[in-house]
Amino acid sequence: QQQVKQSPQSLIVQKGGISIINCAYENTAFDYFPWYQQFPGKGPALLIAIRPDVSEKKEGRFTISFNKSAKQFSLHIMDSQPGDSATYFCAAPSGSARQLTFGSGTQLTVLP
Amino acid sequence: NAGVMQNPRHLVRRRGQEARLRCSPMKGHSHVYWYRQLPEEGLKFMVYLQKENIIDESGMPKERFSAEFPKEGPSILRIQQVVRGDSAAYFCASSYGANTEAFFGQGTRLTVV
Repeated sequence: QQQVKQSPQSLIVQKGGISIINCAYENTAFDYFPWYQQFPGKGPALLIAIRPDVSEKKEGRFTISFNKSAKQFSLHIMDSQPGDSATYFCAAPSGSARQLTFGSGTQLTVLP
Repeated sequence: NAGVMQNPRHLVRRRGQEARLRCSPMKGHSHVYWYRQLPEEGLKFMVYLQKENIIDESGMPKERFSAEFPKEGPSILRIQQVVRGDSAAYFCASSYGANTEAFFGQGTRLTVV
């Protein structure tokens, strides 16, 4: 099962700032990389996903940047808001393409 | 369109009892995944099922744990003779097909006392 290494473990950002979370994965031939947002006591919610035929995908204040050659992808949260305070997980499909391996999570705190 | 439904949301069991966790996938989804999340940790894959078939159970403990997804009704994750180490949040996710986006339920928080 492939590993997904996520950093940082925790992140504190001022309101209005940019939050950046990074993930690196091992060799894979499969074609989507999602990010999930999880609030305490809730299930992970799909935030945004990218397929490796594009280098960037933007949805509102959330952007994924994808570097296939480096096997890295990152989440950027522009104009971060206190309501964005949550744990964020990146994920990547396993070799069988039938399960997700999750990063260890980044606990984001946006200060008002 | 209702999301992935899990019940119960909270479950308390004494050591040695059985725990049954239920998951109804999103409408139109035939792929179900179970994940376990320990406190302050990420999600770990347990098992992947399609209707009436276990496709991948490589993340499932060899003993006491079983899963099914019958032709009719929800998917069930069953834990026999629970121990304190089984205390965790168990999440179910469903997808339309393999390698498509998976959507998670709210989870069942199991506490073994």
